[in-house]
Amino acid sequence: DTVLTQSPALAVSPGERVSISCRASEGVNSYMHWYQQKPGQQPKLLIYKASNLASGVPARFSGSGSGTDFTLTIDPVEADDTATYFCQQSWNDPRTFGGGTKLELK
Amino acid sequence: QVQLKESGPGLVQPSQTLSLTCTVSGFSLTSYNVHWVRQPPGKGLEWMGRMRYNGDTSYNSALKSRLSISRDTSKNQVFLKMNSLQTDDTGTYYCTRDAYWGQGTLVTVSS
Repeated sequence: DTVLTQSPALAVSPGERVSISCRASEGVNSYMHWYQQKPGQQPKLLIYKASNLASGVPARFSGSGSGTDFTLTIDPVEADDTATYFCQQSWNDPRTFGGGTKLELK
Repeated sequence: QVQLKESGPGLVQPSQTLSLTCTVSGFSLTSYNVHWVRQPPGKGLEWMGRMRYNGDTSYNSALKSRLSISRDTSKNQVFLKMNSLQTDDTGTYYCTRDAYWGQGTLVTVSS
């Protein structure tokens, strides 16, 4: 299975820029997607196919990467962005998720 | 608008079978794939399997021996059945169409 590795946690101050990384154990082309999940809620799609902004998602969120290395960037970070962010690949079966990066605001 | 909603028992006894239903609206099951994803309390997401638009299914190899996904297109429903449940199967179970997710249903495996 394709293993997706994310750093477990990050802490940033409001107004700063933050980059959340996701590294795949094998190539996934551009089929990497990013989700935001707040406690008690279902995941929300932010970015699909590496760099495409999902409908209704603020332009503060952006995605980049291809192959095995991907990045979700939030610039500027706002207080409401406190959440856990998951990457997911859909190039290889089975689909897999990263372990999630918990973003905290200072 | 596109909606998905999971339903099923909140409590299942160990070794028993879990049966969940995902009822969809706003789109046709013959046009889109629907996936099942689960999340143990406080942990990450696990893709379980999918019902493709053409009726084919795919499963996570770790669950394949216990898992079955089916559908009734006339009722706009996708079904999940998983047998031999253990306590580590406890979690929230979601059905999803990628950008669209149900609210999830919490399943607790306990005697």
